[in-house]
Amino acid sequence: GENVEQHPSTLSVQEGDSAVIKCTYSDSASNYFPWYKQELGKRPQLIIDIRSNVGEKKDQRIAVTLNKTAKHFSLHITETQPEDSAVYFCAATTTSGTYKYIFGTGTRLKVLA
Amino acid sequence: NAGVTQTPKFQVLKTGQSMTLQCAQDMNHEYMSWYRQDPGMGLRLIHYSVGAGITDQGEVPNGYNVSRSTTEDFPLRLLSAAPSQTSVYFCASNDLGTGGLNEQFFGPGTRLTVL
Repeated sequence: GENVEQHPSTLSVQEGDSAVIKCTYSDSASNYFPWYKQELGKRPQLIIDIRSNVGEKKDQRIAVTLNKTAKHFSLHITETQPEDSAVYFCAATTTSGTYKYIFGTGTRLKVLA
Repeated sequence: NAGVTQTPKFQVLKTGQSMTLQCAQDMNHEYMSWYRQDPGMGLRLIHYSVGAGITDQGEVPNGYNVSRSTTEDFPLRLLSAAPSQTSVYFCASNDLGTGGLNEQFFGPGTRLTVL
């Protein structure tokens, strides 16, 4: 079945450094790749997304890149701040006969002041 | 708009009991889904629905039933609770749009403990 692998599971960076989280998906029919941020005790919230017809998307300090050939997509956070500390989830979705969101297992990001 | 609402926020059950987790959305979204979140396991899809009267299984459907009689409501039923169903449950909804699936909006979650 469909699968999304996410690495690393934990990531610690110094404030001001960059953070990169990587995901790999298995279903070549996947066409939408969102990233969600979940703060402790809160619900996941979308921070950025990308569709399969785009290679890169940027929104201020965050960016997402997609390599369809390798079935990889990555989240890049620059100039990290303490409020970026949270768990980040990637997901891949497909509309080829089914409509399923498959999530990665999450990355706990700690930004050290 | 209230967005996606879930009740209850917390629940403790004994093994073998049944219960229904409620989920409602007021955004007229076609797509609704249920996830469970366990430490280190991410969000795992239990069941989903692409519209009223249509439901399908996700990754971990065993022990759960759903129905979708209206666009707004998507209840999740635990038939006979087991300790392995201790988890945080999230309901989510989104519209389908012309490009397929879109941003999901999550409810606040239900923390369920089965003793």
